[in-house]
Amino acid sequence: GDSVTQMEGPVTLSEEAFLTINCTYTATGYPSLFWYVQYPGEGLQLLLKATKADDKGSNKGFEATYRKETTSFHLEKGSVQVSDSAVYFCALGPNSGGGADGLTFGKGTHLIIQP
Amino acid sequence: DTAVSQTPKYLVTQMGNDKSIKCEQNLGHDTMYWYKQDSKKFLKIMFSYNNKELIINETVPNRFSPKSPDKAHLNLHINSLELGDSAVYFCASSHRGEQFFGPGTRLTVL
Repeated sequence: GDSVTQMEGPVTLSEEAFLTINCTYTATGYPSLFWYVQYPGEGLQLLLKATKADDKGSNKGFEATYRKETTSFHLEKGSVQVSDSAVYFCALGPNSGGGADGLTFGKGTHLIIQP
Repeated sequence: DTAVSQTPKYLVTQMGNDKSIKCEQNLGHDTMYWYKQDSKKFLKIMFSYNNKELIINETVPNRFSPKSPDKAHLNLHINSLELGDSAVYFCASSHRGEQFFGPGTRLTVL
């Protein structure tokens, strides 16, 4: 079945450091890929997405590129802030054509940014 | 004008009780879901409903039963609660593959 593997946390960085959170997947067909963020005590918010190979999703300074050849969707940000501290989830789901399948999530990476 | 809302936000109850969690979405989406997030933050889908029809049931115990009175609502009813049911439960709805999550319900079974 489908699966998502992402780096285990916690990841602790200093403010303004460069961030990479690795994510790889296995799936049949051509899934869409997502990064969700969960701030303390809150629900999940969509951070960015990509629906086909070589697409780059971006939002709030975060970027991730859908790499079919390496089955990866690594999350990057050039300069992190304390407010980026949260748990980040990589997920895959049905392609943009829709469907009732749920998302398959990675185990989440807890990011801690120190001032 | 919350897109996906859940009630209650917190639920503390005794083992063996029956409880329900309500979910409503005002996005006009056709598909809704329930996810369970365990103490290690791992998220796993439990159910999805598409146009009031159950599509997925991921080996969830039959003590859990989703009920959808209409397209905008998907409630989760749990019978005979067990300690292991303690978790955060998230409702979501989707359109063209993108899912929108509710704020979650933290269930604690004592």
